[in-house]
Amino acid sequence: DIQMTQSPSSVSASVGDRVTITCRASQSISNWLAWYQQKPGKAPKLLIYAASNLQSGVPSRFSGSGSGTDFTLTLSSLQPEDFATYYCQQANSLPLTFGGGTKVEIK
Amino acid sequence: EVQLLESGGGLVQPGGSLRLSCAASGFTFTNYAMSWVRLAPGKGLEWVSAVTGVDGRPYYADSVEGRFTISRDISKNTLYLQMNSLRTDDTAVYYCAKHWTIFGAVTDTLEYWGQGALVTVSS
Repeated sequence: DIQMTQSPSSVSASVGDRVTITCRASQSISNWLAWYQQKPGKAPKLLIYAASNLQSGVPSRFSGSGSGTDFTLTLSSLQPEDFATYYCQQANSLPLTFGGGTKVEIK
Repeated sequence: EVQLLESGGGLVQPGGSLRLSCAASGFTFTNYAMSWVRLAPGKGLEWVSAVTGVDGRPYYADSVEGRFTISRDISKNTLYLQMNSLRTDDTAVYYCAKHWTIFGAVTDTLEYWGQGALVTVSS
């Protein structure tokens, strides 16, 4: 199984801050990586697919980069609605695996 | 508009059974793979099972292989997860999700998710 390691597990930030979340795969997954946002009691929402492609309707302050084993999700200017938990997911092979999550909290 | 609506969650004793349903609309059901993913208390997301769109081939995580069965009713556009021999560590919110790629494999991005069904396994 491909292990996905996300860091940090939590981050405290203020509105307007730049936040960067990293995800590392235990083996190369090319660009088969997605990022999701989940708010308490809600369904996960797709933000980024194929490592760097913004899903339709997602604000441009979200961006993704990376390939192979190392990936990054960047929120360029944190907004109040961005406080949530973020997960990466590899789509290279079964079982599909997720990172442990990064909770973005209000400082 | 894609909609996925789960139902069938509830409280069940260890060793018991439960069947989850996911009613899908807004897309051609047989064109896309579908998955079940769960979120246990205090844990991260875990993929549970998937089924291909074209031929309904099932796939399972090791943790549920032999206990859970994924299926679908094409006439009702509904996905199911039959869960047997439930354990306390199966307690979670279970989400159904539509895969991204038309006629694609189960190794894929999960484009749309339902709101989830809570399954609690406890005596």
